[in-house]
Amino acid sequence: KQEVTQIPAALSVPEGENLVLNCSFTDSAIYNLQWFRQDPGKGLTSLLLIQSSQREQTSGRLNASLDKSSGRSTLYIAASQPGDSATYLCAVRHDQKVTFGTGTKLQVIP
Amino acid sequence: EPEVTQTPSHQVTQMGQEVILRCVPISNHLYFYWYRQILGQKVEFLVSFYNNEISEKSEIFDDQFSVERPDGSNFTLKIRSTKLEDSAMYFCASSGSGSGYTFGSGTRLTVV
Repeated sequence: KQEVTQIPAALSVPEGENLVLNCSFTDSAIYNLQWFRQDPGKGLTSLLLIQSSQREQTSGRLNASLDKSSGRSTLYIAASQPGDSATYLCAVRHDQKVTFGTGTKLQVIP
Repeated sequence: EPEVTQTPSHQVTQMGQEVILRCVPISNHLYFYWYRQILGQKVEFLVSFYNNEISEKSEIFDDQFSVERPDGSNFTLKIRSTKLEDSAMYFCASSGSGSGYTFGSGTRLTVV
């Protein structure tokens, strides 16, 4: 059974700081890994998608890496802004479903 | 950019009543899903649907739940007799072959 863990569960940083969110998964037989952002009481916004054959993806200030063999992914956020405050979820696609991590709640302090 | 549309955004229902949550997936996607998120908890897989049949379902998806694609555009989740513990945010998602998931904005179901 695939299990996805995210560390830390919560993170508070001052504005402008670079930060790394971590995601680990137990079964490396995945199709892809996706990072989402969720604002309180809202839906899921896709940030980055990494296929199993890829090592990283970049979009603006975001960079996600994937090490499938070790079961790890990181989301790097450069020059954090208060608007980045949200919960970040990683989700691993395997078989016909996706397993979500527990999320990292990020607060960027102005 | 294509979107997954869910209606209603919020539904309040009495315990024991039937509810139908509606979703319009992205038009050229072939795989459809329902997930739920109980307040403060993880997003949990409910069911996947492909080629007009359920391809996988979780232990949460018991006989009280059913899914249907009644026409070429809609994808619905029915809960036959709602319980208090069914209160959650329900997300519909769709994907193409090899692509990531696109999620709808969710339906908040409150069972009273």
